[in-house]
Amino acid sequence: EADIYQTPRYLVIGTGKKITLECSQTMGHDKMYWYQQDPGMELHLIHYSYGVNSTEKGDLSSESTVSRIRTEHFPLTLESARPSHTSQYLCASPAGTSGRENTGELFFGEGSRLTVL
Amino acid sequence: QQQVKQSPQSLIVQKGGISIINCAYENTAFDYFPWYQQFPGKGPALLIAIRPDVSEKKEGRFTISFNKSAKQFSLHIMDSQPGDSATYFCAASDRGSTLGRLYFGRGTQLTVWP
Repeated sequence: EADIYQTPRYLVIGTGKKITLECSQTMGHDKMYWYQQDPGMELHLIHYSYGVNSTEKGDLSSESTVSRIRTEHFPLTLESARPSHTSQYLCASPAGTSGRENTGELFFGEGSRLTVL
Repeated sequence: QQQVKQSPQSLIVQKGGISIINCAYENTAFDYFPWYQQFPGKGPALLIAIRPDVSEKKEGRFTISFNKSAKQFSLHIMDSQPGDSATYFCAASDRGSTLGRLYFGRGTQLTVWP
């Protein structure tokens, strides 16, 4: 299994603030993903990474940005949060060991629920 | 465009009953179909998965039925328990692609009454 750690679990902030959601994994996986989840909707892929210094945008347009300076960390940043950014953000990495990742199965962190007032 | 369509959106079942959730897909490149279970305040957790060369997979009370020609698959929960109350997501993946990402259905909120 992969251990995916996300912080903070809950965050309530005012409009215009800069926030960073942290995600880390302990398996040394190259691939990591950020999904956005709203009630009654499917999980939307917003960012992914193939490895260090590799980041790509997913299907759902997002004003957030990500970075991948170290294999184990994949933080997501919003430079100026707005109420439309209120959502749950889920970080994930594949099952399997590093180099033999099964991307058909993802392990998710517990999520960061963001509320922008 | 939604890659995986899931129904129903919500489901209420009595304890001991059978819960059935259905999913459909169009992309024939999909070669892996996992189901996820999500409790409130938690991230989705892998429940059970199937490959298209198998028509059925059973793990305990959970069974996936797969119909490759119809491009449909379903989750059956036998002897449903209140502890099964959660949101269930079906998903599909093309593991041969470079990214190998998952496409999710919109989820089914299952409530099992005692």
